[in-house]
Amino acid sequence: GESVGLHLPTLSVQEGDNSIINCAYSNSASDYFIWYKQESGKGPQFIIDIRSNMDKRQGQRVTVLLNKTVKHLSLQIAATQPGDSAVYFCAENSGGSNYKLTFGKGTLLTVNP
Amino acid sequence: DAGVIQSPRHEVTEMGQEVTLRCKPISGHNSLFWYRQTMMRGLELLIYFNNNVPIDDSGMPEDRFSAKMPNASFSTLKIQPSEPRDSAVYFCASRGSANEKLFFGSGTQLSVL
Repeated sequence: GESVGLHLPTLSVQEGDNSIINCAYSNSASDYFIWYKQESGKGPQFIIDIRSNMDKRQGQRVTVLLNKTVKHLSLQIAATQPGDSAVYFCAENSGGSNYKLTFGKGTLLTVNP
Repeated sequence: DAGVIQSPRHEVTEMGQEVTLRCKPISGHNSLFWYRQTMMRGLELLIYFNNNVPIDDSGMPEDRFSAKMPNASFSTLKIQPSEPRDSAVYFCASRGSANEKLFFGSGTQLSVL
């Protein structure tokens, strides 16, 4: 899993399996969280977001879970595909700021065919 | 929509030289951000503009860095003089409102020799 401030962890999965990427955030005042995907040579791309008044949000093949009690965020990717291989970042709006995002260091997901 | 456009994609320069990075945000977006990405420090916010006005430049490393946004469709980040420790990928991002997601450009890979 990932925690803001730690070195880049890696996750390797088989194609078709489900992936779970974790993130621990530090600021209990943060009320907006985002997951980004960054492929090699590209900028971060928005995947899904969640506000602190929710504990789960689903998108297409992705689900974000938020546990405010333990300040934990996770991204679940269903039926992982080779195209999902990338670095995944969680980000939080620092202390409730309406513009300043604090990004984690990222998790490298590798999908094996 | 062409997305956020950055130029150049790659820049190699010698220590002491001036470097200018350019960004064209998505049309209609009123917030623009410059980020720097390194393996050691991850994604760091350098400066944030709202309606062409710099709101928060607390992330700008030092006086060698400066950023301008002369109009709603163009911004520059300048480093003068550049140093090897400035080597990183610099991203520009834009957003339409405080609650909308951030769109990133493809970045400029800067190498200062």
